[in-house]
Amino acid sequence: GAGVSQSPRYKVAKRGQDVALRCDPISGHVSLFWYQQALGQGPEFLTYFQNEAQLDKSGLPSDRFFAERPEGSVSTLKIQRTQQEDSAVYLCASSHRVTEAFFGQGTRLTVV
Amino acid sequence: DQQVKQNSPSLSVQEGRISILNCDYTNSMFDYFLWYKKYPAEGPTFLISISSIKDKNEDGRFTVFLNKSAKHLSLHIVPSQPGDSAVYFCAASGGVQGAQKLVFGQGTRLTINP
Repeated sequence: GAGVSQSPRYKVAKRGQDVALRCDPISGHVSLFWYQQALGQGPEFLTYFQNEAQLDKSGLPSDRFFAERPEGSVSTLKIQRTQQEDSAVYLCASSHRVTEAFFGQGTRLTVV
Repeated sequence: DQQVKQNSPSLSVQEGRISILNCDYTNSMFDYFLWYKKYPAEGPTFLISISSIKDKNEDGRFTVFLNKSAKHLSLHIVPSQPGDSAVYFCAASGGVQGAQKLVFGQGTRLTINP
């Protein structure tokens, strides 16, 4: 596709439920990023992949958060045992360089 | 520890006038700065950037100024148009965190009044 595609756009999860968020980056982009954006805040870095290698996961808030990109293209962000504080918009971005990161529309996760 | 700060949550400007959005940072190791624009229900869209070796970068109606000694950057939009109404985020990269991670400010909501 022409841009970064994320699915689902909206997700409502009951507390304790596991969720999986998908990101389809721009074809050929080596770098892929996940960010978390809480209401009224700027995006905060979660993790970074270069091809299939996860080079930085320092932003993942707990071991309930897990990201993968097994074939160096599509990526999945998984959150286990969701908590209310996990409610946020999860943004995926891809790029050749950080200076040209293209963001998807995001997945709005609401934990009830 | 907010390394990138946008102290104005909102700004209202008359159409045709200049909009000035401000951003301050604390990490002197940042070496690249970017502005993103975000419409509701969309992801951030890259607008303009500047390297720390420059103090000004211009692209059409948009100009970014960088004052390294003050750790301050600003985005000027002139003339402002109704379509510029959006939330603007400044972001920085570089330093010990590496070049691949962007640190964002909280955003400034710009409203252009006709």
